[in-house]
Amino acid sequence: EVQLVESGGGLVHPGGSLRLSCSASGFTFSNHAMHWVRQAPGKGLEYVSSTSSHGGATDYADFVRGRFSISRDNSKNILYLQMSSLRVEDTALYYCVRDSAAVAANLLDHWGQGTKVTVSS
Amino acid sequence: DIVMSQSPDSLAVSLGERATINCKSSQSVFYSSNNMNSLAWYQQKSGQPPKLLIYRASTRESGVPDRFSGSGSGTDFSLTISSLQAEDVAVYYCQQYYNSPPTFGQGTKVEIK
Repeated sequence: EVQLVESGGGLVHPGGSLRLSCSASGFTFSNHAMHWVRQAPGKGLEYVSSTSSHGGATDYADFVRGRFSISRDNSKNILYLQMSSLRVEDTALYYCVRDSAAVAANLLDHWGQGTKVTVSS
Repeated sequence: DIVMSQSPDSLAVSLGERATINCKSSQSVFYSSNNMNSLAWYQQKSGQPPKLLIYRASTRESGVPDRFSGSGSGTDFSLTISSLQAEDVAVYYCQQYYNSPPTFGQGTKVEIK
């Protein structure tokens, strides 16, 4: 069974930093691109970032480019999202999501439960 | 970025009746090279993460009941629940994966009348 378990969320002040982690199991992690998708309270789904199966290709939504960095450790089956210069509008539930393919095909076939990030003074 | 628009924003349907959600993309998501539409539907129940229901506009994910069906091509798509069950109460999202970044519709909330 595919399992994606996020951690690392919490309360942070504007301008602060946070690192999210996603521990994957139940599938061959190194065969799949991975994504972070977020959902602000009461709002819809919003793509944040993606990485190819071996981390060689990454992509970001314009509103996080230069502030967030995605990475992965295929030896540990962990996906990361380093978040810096956080803004109030980054407050959301952050989902770790598996792609159906090795290169980001952007078909999101398994989702974690999410980790909550709150940016507030 | 491709803009996805859903209608209606919400709908209330009686148990056993049909529910239809529409989704429109700002440009075609049809790949002529493989004759497929890069359009997916997700279901999000309260307090849960989204779940993939349908991809390629009309292919049901494994385990999804056959009362869920998808149709459409190019820029106009629909998700139909043929006979609404209580467990289908959720928000439904369409998403294009034709290009990056993947983009979602705003969601349609389905409730029981």
